[in-house]
Amino acid sequence: EAGVVQSPRYKIIEKKQPVAFWCNPISGHNTLYWYLQNLGQGPELLIRYENEEAVDDSQLPKDRFSAERLKGVDSTLKIQPAELGDSAVYLCASSPRGLAAYNEQFFGPGTRLTVL
Amino acid sequence: GESVGLHLPTLSVQEGDNSIINCAYSNSASDYFIWYKQESGKGPQFIIDIRSNMDKRQGQRVTVLLNKTVKHLSLQIAATQPGDSAVYFCAESGGTSYGKLTFGQGTILTVHP
Repeated sequence: EAGVVQSPRYKIIEKKQPVAFWCNPISGHNTLYWYLQNLGQGPELLIRYENEEAVDDSQLPKDRFSAERLKGVDSTLKIQPAELGDSAVYLCASSPRGLAAYNEQFFGPGTRLTVL
Repeated sequence: GESVGLHLPTLSVQEGDNSIINCAYSNSASDYFIWYKQESGKGPQFIIDIRSNMDKRQGQRVTVLLNKTVKHLSLQIAATQPGDSAVYFCAESGGTSYGKLTFGQGTILTVHP
């Protein structure tokens, strides 16, 4: 079974430019997460989807970040405009059960963003 | 705010030794805990989980211990191998964080041949 797929793996952009990350979750997983991970830190949740609905976006900086999961499968995370402090790894994860309390999440390899 | 943290940021062991990685959590309502392993350039990989109605759970070469009284979680790796070298994160869920994982800072485990 294929795991969570993310692209691109690496992205280097200049500040104020837009950038987009793509995620394809494990087949059949209804729940999709986007995390931000700074060096040496644990992942921090940005947004969680149940199918196509964003059920928790409280940590998403909405002035510059946006996300969508139009058909309840693939998802895109966008930053516009990017700032220097956005340099980090952006992880996508998916899980098979919706709002279950016990909910293993499967992570993709991440996209490493460098903003110059 | 509620958080999950690690006592030791780095741990260095010899191949064949047993490793113990510790984690403290502050949310007394947490009822689900997971240990993840993250190798360089990869996403976190599930190792083992435990629910709050248990105090010990064993997997292959790994054991997780949960002490709810002092809000402490540990991961024990038996006969540590060089391939175990990675960053280990604990994560918790529960209470107001239902369905959401909160990760700790991470411990770097280095295994010397």
